[in-house]
Amino acid sequence: AQKVTQAQTEISVVEKEDVTLDCVYETRDTTYYLFWYKQPPSGELVFLIRRNSFDEQNEISGRYSWNFQKSTSSFNFTITASQVVDSAVYFCALSDISGNTPLVFGKGTRLSVIA
Amino acid sequence: GAVVSQHPSRVICKSGTSVKIECRSLDFQATTMFWYRQFPKQSLMLMATSNEGSKATYEQGVEKDKFLINHASLTLSTLTVTSAHPEDSSFYICSARPRRDTDTQYFGPGTRLTVL
Repeated sequence: AQKVTQAQTEISVVEKEDVTLDCVYETRDTTYYLFWYKQPPSGELVFLIRRNSFDEQNEISGRYSWNFQKSTSSFNFTITASQVVDSAVYFCALSDISGNTPLVFGKGTRLSVIA
Repeated sequence: GAVVSQHPSRVICKSGTSVKIECRSLDFQATTMFWYRQFPKQSLMLMATSNEGSKATYEQGVEKDKFLINHASLTLSTLTVTSAHPEDSSFYICSARPRRDTDTQYFGPGTRLTVL
């Protein structure tokens, strides 16, 4: 069975601080996809990244970066120089490669960035 | 990117009424659509998988007679909450998997249902 654990329920940081959101996953599949989504108060899920399990290279996109460590089954997300607009709930998710199965979501981490 | 819409975005209804939520893929055909439910401050939980032209597959604990799913075309799936009760109040989100890009899913903006 697949499982995603986001141990941090809520995090508060002061604007301009860096913050890392943890994600640990479990799967028996040898190939899979990992995702991060942002859910602002409006509720709509905003896609941030999809990572194939073949690709362990870290990725940077502006102030966002992701650290994929297959050896520890982790896919952590770091926001550099956080801003108030980053305040949201962030979900880590897992799916198989086929697309036949839905995403399995973690419980989410609520990030509050204080001005 | 691909667009998925949901209608209505918000609905308030009285207990005992039925509510229909539409999920449309606007610029692609979707062979599979997934329906999720999210209670306040909780994660998204899969309710059912909807395949075009066939019966939906429901997750354990989800009443198929209460949550009717119809996937009548490659661009539309509907979720009908029958005889809604206050405990059905939730945020309902659909996702659609394109026929030509089967390893990708696109999420709708969600429908917030409040049952009084």
